Amino acid sequence: EDKVVQSPLSLVVHEGDTVTLNCNYEVTNFRSLLWYKQEKKAPTFLFMLTSSGIEKKSGRLSSILDKKELFSILNITATQTGDSAIYLCAVEAPSSIQGAQKLVFGQGTRLTINP
Amino acid sequence: GAGVSQTPSNKVTEKGKYVELRCDPISGHTALYWYRQSLGQGPEFLIYFQGTGAADDSGLPNDRFFAVRPEGSVSTLKIQRTERGDSAVYLCASSLTWTGSTDTQYFGPGTRLTVL
Repeated sequence: EDKVVQSPLSLVVHEGDTVTLNCNYEVTNFRSLLWYKQEKKAPTFLFMLTSSGIEKKSGRLSSILDKKELFSILNITATQTGDSAIYLCAVEAPSSIQGAQKLVFGQGTRLTINP
Repeated sequence: GAGVSQTPSNKVTEKGKYVELRCDPISGHTALYWYRQSLGQGPEFLIYFQGTGAADDSGLPNDRFFAVRPEGSVSTLKIQRTERGDSAVYLCASSLTWTGSTDTQYFGPGTRLTVL
């Protein structure tokens, strides 16, 4: 069974700290790994990673994938209170039907940034 | 442009009732997905449409759940004889293509369903 495990489940830090969120996965047919930020209800897209060792960066956020060890990390530097959210990791695991790109999600990491 | 929209944003119903949840995908997106997110969990896949057809419904929990997309755009998720365990946020996502290439899924705000 395809599985995505995130850690920690919850993290509380002070504004300005740097955080690292972890995502480990076991899937049969890996195509890509995605990170989403969920503040209220709609997950908003952050990164898509398909190749090992290539860092994706957007402002203070960055992410990298290791396809040999089956994990990804999401780093946030100089955290701000607006970074408080649930961060979801998902792996694209095609079904037996060609092209069906369902996502398998982890439980999420609830990040709280205190002022 | 407009993102994925879902209606209603909240739905409260009684056990045993029938509900319909609607999703309007991003214009031009051919692939549409439904997910269910229970409290404290990540979203779980329910069903995927390519155009009008349900290409993968392996995530539907039982035959009380059904979804349609008759014209290849708007989709409706239908739940019959609702149970308290159906209470969750139902998320819809769409992506541009389904052709096997990696394509970002964009999510709507979800419908929070509460079954009393």
